[in-house]
Amino acid sequence: EAEVAQSPRYKITEKSQAVAFWCDPISGHATLYWYRQILGQGPELLVQFQDESVVDDSQLPKDRFSAERLKGVDSTLKIQPAELGDSAMYLCASSRTGRETQYFGPGTRLLVL
Amino acid sequence: AQRVTQPEKLLSVFKGAPVELKCNYSYSGSPELFWYVQYSRQRLQLLLRHISRESIKGFTADLNKGETSFHLKKPFAQEEDSAMYYCALSDNAGNMLTFGGGTRLMVKP
Repeated sequence: EAEVAQSPRYKITEKSQAVAFWCDPISGHATLYWYRQILGQGPELLVQFQDESVVDDSQLPKDRFSAERLKGVDSTLKIQPAELGDSAMYLCASSRTGRETQYFGPGTRLLVL
Repeated sequence: AQRVTQPEKLLSVFKGAPVELKCNYSYSGSPELFWYVQYSRQRLQLLLRHISRESIKGFTADLNKGETSFHLKKPFAQEEDSAMYYCALSDNAGNMLTFGGGTRLMVKP
């Protein structure tokens, strides 16, 4: 059964450093999402792509975060510079279309020291 | 702004007891409502959505537009139901999925 892949699974970095996360959605899924989940809270949508286009990035802190999905397949989320408050789980999800079920990846746990 | 509230962080019941996980929402319009579940060491996954009106693993949820609630219910809890449950809503195009803070359900033997 196809699954959403994410790497790395864990990342420790120092504040002010740059960090990048990668997501490979299920094949054929046009819609891709990045979420941030702070410990003890629910996931918060950061950015939603439809193919290579951004549908919604209203909650993405654009001064330090960037996301791209250049060929409409896999995606990269970058943080530069990382801050202590960025420590969280970063989840990627994909769906066939925006109206269909979202399938989540295992997440990347980020710790900023 | 849309918001989802799950008032209970933790709900502990005995096996065989009824379960109700509460979810209240605020949204101007007609949202789509969902329940997601995360079992220990597993990925977040969809449990049910209100438009499908299905019963999944014995769970049901009824959308009450008057009370803006979407509570999750099961008449007889099982130990394997122990997990983290998240209520979520989106607009009717499936965009802007907003999650509640989650409720941890513990079913004791």
